[in-house]
Amino acid sequence: KQEVTQIPAALSVPEGENLVLNCSFTDSAIYNLQWFRQDPGKGLTSLLLIQSSQREQTSGRLNASLDKSSGRSTLYIAASQPGDSATYLCAVSGSNAGNMLTFGGGTRLMVKP
Amino acid sequence: DTGVSQDPRHKITKRGQNVTFRCDPISEHNRLYWYRQTLGQGPEFLTYFQNEAQLEKSRLLSDRFSAERPKGSFSTLEIQRTEQGDSAMYLCASSEQVDTQYFGPGTRLTVL
Repeated sequence: KQEVTQIPAALSVPEGENLVLNCSFTDSAIYNLQWFRQDPGKGLTSLLLIQSSQREQTSGRLNASLDKSSGRSTLYIAASQPGDSATYLCAVSGSNAGNMLTFGGGTRLMVKP
Repeated sequence: DTGVSQDPRHKITKRGQNVTFRCDPISEHNRLYWYRQTLGQGPEFLTYFQNEAQLEKSRLLSDRFSAERPKGSFSTLEIQRTEQGDSAMYLCASSEQVDTQYFGPGTRLTVL
């Protein structure tokens, strides 16, 4: 059974810092990996999707990397801003059950002005 | 806007009542997913449809949970005889084949 872990569970940083969020998964037979952002009481916003054959994806100040063989992914946020404060969720999909996503517990990020 | 929509956004019900939630996916997406999220946790997969066919339902939490997607468009999730443990956020997502899943705003259920 796939298990996804995110470390740290919570993170507080001053504005302007670069930061790294970590995600690990137990079964390397994944189809893809997605990073999401969730604001309190809201749905999920997709940030980046990395196919299993890819090593990284970039969007603006965000860069996600994937090392499938070691079961790890990182989300790098450059020059953090107070508006980046949210919970960040990592999810992996397998080849079964139609690409169902298995989520980690998330990292709650607070960027202080 | 052509994003995923869910209705209602909030539902408060008494224990033992039945509730039904609706999800309207992005129009060209043939896959539709339901997830449940409890406070402080990541979402948990419940079931999914490809067009009108429900291809995975073993993850539904009990036989009190059922889902439909008539005509392969919108979907409904019904919970019968609600229990306090059913209180959670119910999220719907859609995708085009095995691509990025796009999530709706969720329905927050509170069972008193």
